[in-house]
Amino acid sequence: DAKTTQPTSMDCAEGRAANLPCNHSTISGNEYVYWYRQIHSQGPQYIIHGLKNNETNEMASLIITEDRKSSTLILPHATLRDTAVYYCIVPPSNTGKLIFGQGTTLQVKP
Amino acid sequence: GAGVSQSPRYKVAKRGQDVALRCDPISGHVSLFWYQQALGQGPEFLTYFQNEAQLDKSGLPSDRFFAERPEGSVSTLKIQRTQQEDSAVYLCASSLGSGRKGNYGYTFGSGTRLTVV
Repeated sequence: DAKTTQPTSMDCAEGRAANLPCNHSTISGNEYVYWYRQIHSQGPQYIIHGLKNNETNEMASLIITEDRKSSTLILPHATLRDTAVYYCIVPPSNTGKLIFGQGTTLQVKP
Repeated sequence: GAGVSQSPRYKVAKRGQDVALRCDPISGHVSLFWYQQALGQGPEFLTYFQNEAQLDKSGLPSDRFFAERPEGSVSTLKIQRTQQEDSAVYLCASSLGSGRKGNYGYTFGSGTRLTVV
């Protein structure tokens, strides 16, 4: 199973881009990278996922390196409401399981 | 409903008491998952249903934990003879398709916070 490594915490100024890195050097060719976030006292919320191409939706952008060993989640204009724990997950194929690590605690500051 | 609904939101149980936690998934969602989240930790997988079939219960920590989804919609997680180490937030998630087919974009509920005293 591909494991992920994320920084424990990061700060970002309100209105600036937040760039959250993730290493997943043991990822297999058919495994996706998923990002979730968890705001205090809420359940995790799906953000975005990708296989090898960069992806963008209304919430964020996902940049995956060409060798697929790392990725970056980009929140283009962070707001105070983006303060949360962000989880980078590579689900084991054909299991249905999401394996959460410790994630990155992002603090957006005024 | 519009989202995954869990009840109760908070539960305090005396050690040794049995508890039942309820999850109402999004209507029509085939897959349902239970996770346990200890304070300061990421959620940990407990069990997975596809319709009424429990396909994976490898994460249930002991035989005191039991989950069911008899009609393929509402699910109940039951914990018998609760212990202090069972104190955690119990999260339920659902998905329209089968997670095993590669769609891992799940919708989570807000969880039930269980405190065993």
